[in-house]
Amino acid sequence: SQQGEEDPQALSIQEGENATMNCSYKTSINNLQWYRQNSGRGLVHLILIRSNEREKHSGRLRVTLDTSKKSSSLLITASRAADTASYFCATDTGNQFYFGTGTSLTVIP
Amino acid sequence: EAQVTQNPRYLITVTGKKLTVTCSQNMNHEYMSWYRQDPGLGLRQIYYSMNVEVTDKGDVPEGYKVSRKEKRNFPLILESPSPNQTSLYFCASTAAGNEKLFFGSGTQLSVL
Repeated sequence: SQQGEEDPQALSIQEGENATMNCSYKTSINNLQWYRQNSGRGLVHLILIRSNEREKHSGRLRVTLDTSKKSSSLLITASRAADTASYFCATDTGNQFYFGTGTSLTVIP
Repeated sequence: EAQVTQNPRYLITVTGKKLTVTCSQNMNHEYMSWYRQDPGLGLRQIYYSMNVEVTDKGDVPEGYKVSRKEKRNFPLILESPSPNQTSLYFCASTAAGNEKLFFGSGTQLSVL
């Protein structure tokens, strides 16, 4: 399987703290994306980073990509209770998308 | 409103009874795909379609069929469901070259 893995599986932080989650993948990629899922609902796209990019920002989100290590990290700054959700990375090889196993983030008010 | 619509939201059936989960998108997307989500396993791709009349197997296609006769629709067919197909299913779409996937709300399927 070419499925990626997120680390940690679960993360619990206080509101206002930063949350960092990591993703490792197995093959060469075109892009890497991060998605958010609330309570078994459909995934929502957060941010995309291309294979020739090393870092990207969007609001309170910061994504890094290290293609030599086949890894990415997602940083959520100044977390809020509403950020409580599961976060998935997804790699794109052109035709197929491979999702990681997800990080469950709980932000405590 | 741009969206991917899946039906039904919940489905309980018995082993061997054929069923179809519908998926429709109103964004004129070329690419559509189906995933199943199981605890601890994340999302795994079942089938995908690059355009009308073009479908390909994903990682876990066994026991499933799809068709893409129209651009907007991509139904998932379970001809003889088994209990190991109990799962949460998602349909998703994206425009060619866009890469950002739009997801449906999911179908929770239970096969007894």
